[in-house]
Amino acid sequence: NAGVTQTPKFRILKIGQSMTLQCTQDMNHNYMYWYRQDPGMGLKLIYYSVGAGITDKGEVPNGYNVSRSTTEDFPLRLELAAPSQTSVYFCASSYPQQGQINYGYTFGSGTRLTVV
Amino acid sequence: DQQVKQNSPSLSVQEGRISILNCDYTNSMFDYFLWYKKYPAEGPTFLISISSIKDKNEDGRFTVFLNKSAKHLSLHIVPSQPGDSAVYFCAARSGGYQKVTFGIGTKLQVIP
Repeated sequence: NAGVTQTPKFRILKIGQSMTLQCTQDMNHNYMYWYRQDPGMGLKLIYYSVGAGITDKGEVPNGYNVSRSTTEDFPLRLELAAPSQTSVYFCASSYPQQGQINYGYTFGSGTRLTVV
Repeated sequence: DQQVKQNSPSLSVQEGRISILNCDYTNSMFDYFLWYKKYPAEGPTFLISISSIKDKNEDGRFTVFLNKSAKHLSLHIVPSQPGDSAVYFCAARSGGYQKVTFGIGTKLQVIP
């Protein structure tokens, strides 16, 4: 059971370039999330999805886009990369089990992105 | 506006002793609180949680205490082990869709 898989693990982008951070989970979780973590800061929610075809903005969505065409995949798109997007990006998933609320996320190992 | 605050950036504890990590929050609408542990180059892992209707939850060496009137929670690790050395994030949930707000983390070092 792989859990949540993120690719790539590291990436260096030039200002103005675009890229997609991939996230896949094999736990059949309905809910998926993208967070970013800046040095000395907590995790900030970028976007989240409660199921295929449904996405919504989090706390810091500017400069990013997402899609959720399947339950398994939740890619994060960066358009026109800027130095302010240098961060570590974490994808997570969760599933509220019937009869027992479970708020624990399963996180991927992260993507370290540097924009120069 | 930091709704979840971890005011101690780091903590050092001797192996076998108790580690106490603290967290304060400002949003009265938070109804669920969680602790995550994070090792370098890995994603956070869920450790323990507590509902706002409880004041204590225990899981092995880990106990979380919630004081709603003070808007304060703490994580106790007894006894502390070197493998507990990690960054610990306090998190809280309000509203739907399981969105949570994270603190900035406390780095725990357990000294053998």
